[in-house]
Amino acid sequence: AQTVTQSQPEMSVQEAETVTLSCTYDTSESDYYLFWYKQPPSRQMILVIRQEAYKQQNATENRFSVNFQKAAKSFSLKISDSQLGDAAMYFCAYRSASGAGNNRKLIWGLGTSLAVNP
Amino acid sequence: DAGVTQSPTHLIKTRGQQVTLRCSPKSGHDTVSWYQQALGQGPQFIFQYYEEEERQRGNFPDRFSGHQFPNYSSELNVNALLLGDSALYLCASSFLNGRAFDEKLFFGSGTQLSVL
Repeated sequence: AQTVTQSQPEMSVQEAETVTLSCTYDTSESDYYLFWYKQPPSRQMILVIRQEAYKQQNATENRFSVNFQKAAKSFSLKISDSQLGDAAMYFCAYRSASGAGNNRKLIWGLGTSLAVNP
Repeated sequence: DAGVTQSPTHLIKTRGQQVTLRCSPKSGHDTVSWYQQALGQGPQFIFQYYEEEERQRGNFPDRFSGHQFPNYSSELNVNALLLGDSALYLCASSFLNGRAFDEKLFFGSGTQLSVL
């Protein structure tokens, strides 16, 4: 069974600085997707960034980028120029891309609470 | 364009009761997934509905059941509530249309269920 581990329950960063959130996962599959979701106090999960395992190039979305290390099964999120609105819970998630479309569930880590200090 | 809407936002029940949670997917979406998020935990997959059928189910007992209507909206039913069912229940919608893997999920703000 696949697992996702986020080893940092809480992180903090100064406004305008850069912070990196860690995520490791365990799987025997070769084809899968990895995600970072943000959950602000409104509770709505918002997709931050997505990485396809077969792509070697790291995904980037504006101030958000990932460092995907497939062999090490590591998927960290870097937030550059942190803003007050980035404060939230951040969840790393895994989804299989195999199984003839039957593996549609997301497997989630426990989350990292990010505080942004002015 | 309305996103994913869930109702109610908060609910208080007592042990042994039954509850129904509702979800309207984002316009144009045809697939609904339900997740349970206990306090301090990541979400856990309950099940997914597509074409009015349950397509995949997580490790939840039969007390958890669901339904999808022809307009793609969905209900999550929980019978014989236990204290441990207290959690945030999230609904997510996506557009499948036969494509197996390239689903982008949009989430609602959830229903906070408290079982006393």
